[in-house]
Amino acid sequence: EIVMTQSPATLSVSPGERATLSCRASQSVSSNLAWYQQKPGQAPRLLIHAASTRATGTPARFSGSGSGTEFTLTISSLQSEDFAVYYCQQYYSWPPLTFGQGTRLEIK
Amino acid sequence: QVQLQESGPGLVKPSETLSLTCTVSGDSITSYYYWTWIRLPPGKGLEWVGHMHHGGTIYYNPSLKSRATISVDTSSNQFSLRLNSVTATDTAIYYCARHYFDISTGRYFFFMDVWGKGTTVTVSS
Repeated sequence: EIVMTQSPATLSVSPGERATLSCRASQSVSSNLAWYQQKPGQAPRLLIHAASTRATGTPARFSGSGSGTEFTLTISSLQSEDFAVYYCQQYYSWPPLTFGQGTRLEIK
Repeated sequence: QVQLQESGPGLVKPSETLSLTCTVSGDSITSYYYWTWIRLPPGKGLEWVGHMHHGGTIYYNPSLKSRATISVDTSSNQFSLRLNSVTATDTAIYYCARHYFDISTGRYFFFMDVWGKGTTVTVSS
């Protein structure tokens, strides 16, 4: 099983600033990585797939990078609606499909 | 526009069977896609439960130790999850979702592009 580790667990950032979230895989997943955003009481929403491809409707301030075992989600200028929990997920080797434990992005 | 809606009991007793249904609207469950179940336990991260294709392919998370069964009802455009011998650790929000299919290449990619809103299941006596 591929273990996904996200850091930090909680990130405090001020609106308008840049946020950088990390995701590490226990073995290479190539570029088979997705990022999701989840707000309280809502289902997760796909933001990024193939490590760096924005899903339909994802604002351009969200960007993904990385390959192999190290991945980053960057939000260039935080808006109020961006404060949420973010999960990474690998779909390279399964079963099982695996997620990171999440990073909570909170307002500083 | 495809939409998914979970339904089922919100409370299940320990050792009993959890049964959930996902109703798909806006698309046929017999189209290209794989359909999946994912859960979010309180205070924890997302966990993949399993997925299926109407053609008969089904995969489960090995961590569930064969307690899970996913099935499809094409006449109702639904797919279902049964989880037996539940304990408090099965308490979670359960989501159904769709895996992505690239029509232009004919390839499947097992991330989730459409999600239901989720249903909360509590295991308690």
